[in-house]
Amino acid sequence: NAGVTQTPKFRVLKTGQSMTLLCAQDMNHEYMYWYRQDPGMGLRLIHYSVGEGTTAKGEVPDGYNVSRLKKQNFLLGLESAAPSQTSVYFCASSSILTGLGEQYFGPGTRLTVT
Amino acid sequence: AQRVTQPEKLLSVFKGAPVELKCNYSYSGSPELFWYVQYSRQRLQLLLRHISRESIKGFTADLNKGETSFHLKKPFAQEEDSAMYYCALAPSGSRLTFGEGTQLTVNP
Repeated sequence: NAGVTQTPKFRVLKTGQSMTLLCAQDMNHEYMYWYRQDPGMGLRLIHYSVGEGTTAKGEVPDGYNVSRLKKQNFLLGLESAAPSQTSVYFCASSSILTGLGEQYFGPGTRLTVT
Repeated sequence: AQRVTQPEKLLSVFKGAPVELKCNYSYSGSPELFWYVQYSRQRLQLLLRHISRESIKGFTADLNKGETSFHLKKPFAQEEDSAMYYCALAPSGSRLTFGEGTQLTVNP
């Protein structure tokens, strides 16, 4: 099993450009999450999903949109990138059986917005 | 609102010394607490959860509801313990809230 995978691993954007980050999991998990990791601020939840076709806002949702059209995929979109969105983005998933606290993380996407 | 605080951004100890990574939380109900670890160039992974009361890689953590703390301890640190450690809180029926993280360095 690949677990949680993220595409791409690195990306550089110019201010105002758009992009989509793809997260995929092969563990049949119901819950999926997008976090951003910034120095000194830990991981902050951007959006999450408790099932196919459902999404919800996290702690820092502004400037991001998400979609979960298939259970195994969770997409994070930036419509108009800003330098403040320079960060490392992590996707995670968890099973309804083991609870939301036991999350499995992807390797991360390092995004730089110039 | 729930909050997790890790007061030390950086912690440095020598190999064989005891280590304690502090975590304090604020939540009025009965929380679930976790420690996650991120080794260099690896993905974040769950280290332990308070309800399991187990020792993983020599680490233990005890939930102290009176002091609202969940400190992570190891009696004898090893160089391979060098990593970023995150404490996380899961209020009942809600999502995880992470602390700011503590970068642990174990010197030879």
